[in-house]
Amino acid sequence: DAKTTQPNSMESNEEEPVHLPCNHSTISGTDYIHWYRQLPSQGPEYVIHGLTSNVNNRMASLAIAEDRKSSTLILHRATLRDAAVYYCIQQTGANSKLTFGKGITLSVRP
Amino acid sequence: DTEVTQTPKHLVMGMTNKKSLKCEQHMGHRAMYWYKQKAKKPPELMFVYSYEKLSINESVPSRFSPECPNSSLLNLHLHALQPEDSALYLCASSRGGFEGEKLFFGSGTQLSVL
Repeated sequence: DAKTTQPNSMESNEEEPVHLPCNHSTISGTDYIHWYRQLPSQGPEYVIHGLTSNVNNRMASLAIAEDRKSSTLILHRATLRDAAVYYCIQQTGANSKLTFGKGITLSVRP
Repeated sequence: DTEVTQTPKHLVMGMTNKKSLKCEQHMGHRAMYWYKQKAKKPPELMFVYSYEKLSINESVPSRFSPECPNSSLLNLHLHALQPEDSALYLCASSRGGFEGEKLFFGSGTQLSVL
C-alpha cells in the first residue's frame, strides 16, 4: 500500500524553482524516501533519494523535515522537459521494493 | 551502459496465445523487477528476482510466469491472458535488491490483449 500523499497536480513557470511536497507520516527510522519521475511514454526515472539528511544531485535537491514526516523535492530551474508525473515513495523493509503512490503531475509553462 | 532494454516495445495478442516479454541489463545488477502499469495509474509491482531467485510475488495470477535465466535476463511468459491484462509492462533492475538502492527502469512493453 502506498504510504505517501501528494497533491494531484502543480503548475510552474519555466526557469523558476519548483517545490513538490510529500507527506509520509507513517515513516519509520529505516525507511528511505525516493523520488522518481515518469515522462509520457517512458518508464520511471530515478530522481533522488534520502534517509535523514538533505540530499543534492545534478537533477534536484531533497529536503527532509526534521521529524521525517514530510519532504520536498526541489527543482532549481524548471524546464519544459521537467513536465512529468513525480512519484514520492516511502521504501519500507529490508529490500528495494518500491510501492508507487498516485504521484503529482507537474506542468511547466513557457 | 546504464540501460534496461525491453523487447518487444509493442505486442498484440489474443486470449489463447502464448507470448513472452524480454528484459535485459548489463550493469551487473543482481535484482530485477516486473511492474504493470495501467493507463493513467501508477506502476504496480508484480515480481522481484534477487540473485536469480524469485523473492517477491505480489499475488500475481498464474497466467503470468516470470523466469530469470541468468543475472542479465528476465522474461515474463504470458498465457491465456484477459483483455483487462492490457497494460504497459515495465522491467527494472537494481544493484542487489537491498533497501536504499535506486531502480533503473526500461521503457516498457505496451501489451494489448484482444
